[in-house]
Amino acid sequence: DVVLTQSPATLSVTPGERISLSCRASESVDTYLHWYQQKPNESPRLLIKYASQSISGIPSRFSGSGSGTDFTLSINGVELEDLSIYYCQQGNSLPYTFGAGTKLELK
Amino acid sequence: EVQLQQSGAELGKPGTSVKLSCKVSGYNIRNTYMHWVNQRPGKGLEWIGRIDPANGNTIYAEKFKSKATLTADTSSNTAYMQLSQLKSDDTAIYFCAASRGTRTWFAYWGQGTLVTVSS
Repeated sequence: DVVLTQSPATLSVTPGERISLSCRASESVDTYLHWYQQKPNESPRLLIKYASQSISGIPSRFSGSGSGTDFTLSINGVELEDLSIYYCQQGNSLPYTFGAGTKLELK
Repeated sequence: EVQLQQSGAELGKPGTSVKLSCKVSGYNIRNTYMHWVNQRPGKGLEWIGRIDPANGNTIYAEKFKSKATLTADTSSNTAYMQLSQLKSDDTAIYFCAASRGTRTWFAYWGQGTLVTVSS
């Protein structure tokens, strides 16, 4: 199975700053890497598909990059509503797998 | 608008089974894969498996092969997951998820069903 390692586990942020979250795969997943946001007591929400493709309705401050084994989710100007847990997920090979998540908290 | 409506919370005794449902509106499930994902208390997301409702074909993550059984009823546009031989570590929220077609991401999610295993 493909193991996705997300870092950091927790990131303390200040509103307005630009941040980057990392997701590394144990083997190449090409660009079949997707990002989700999950707020407490809610279902996950798709943010980015295919590593860098935007999703309708998602604020433009969210962007993704990478291919192969190294991926990044960036938030350009963090807002308070972005304090959540972020997961990456690979869809290159079965079983699909998720990373353990990165939690954004207020500094 | 595509919506996935899951059945209500379940309380199951150890050794018993529960069957969860996920009714889809706004999209024909024959045209998509239906996936199930769990989340244990305070933990991350775990993919359980998927079903192709058009033909009933299923794929499971190895650890769920003897735990979960996925089915679908295209006449009611509903997917189901049965969890058998319940143990305490099956206590989790179970989500159904899908995307249009056979995409490898999950654009639509149910609200989740909490399964609590306790005697």
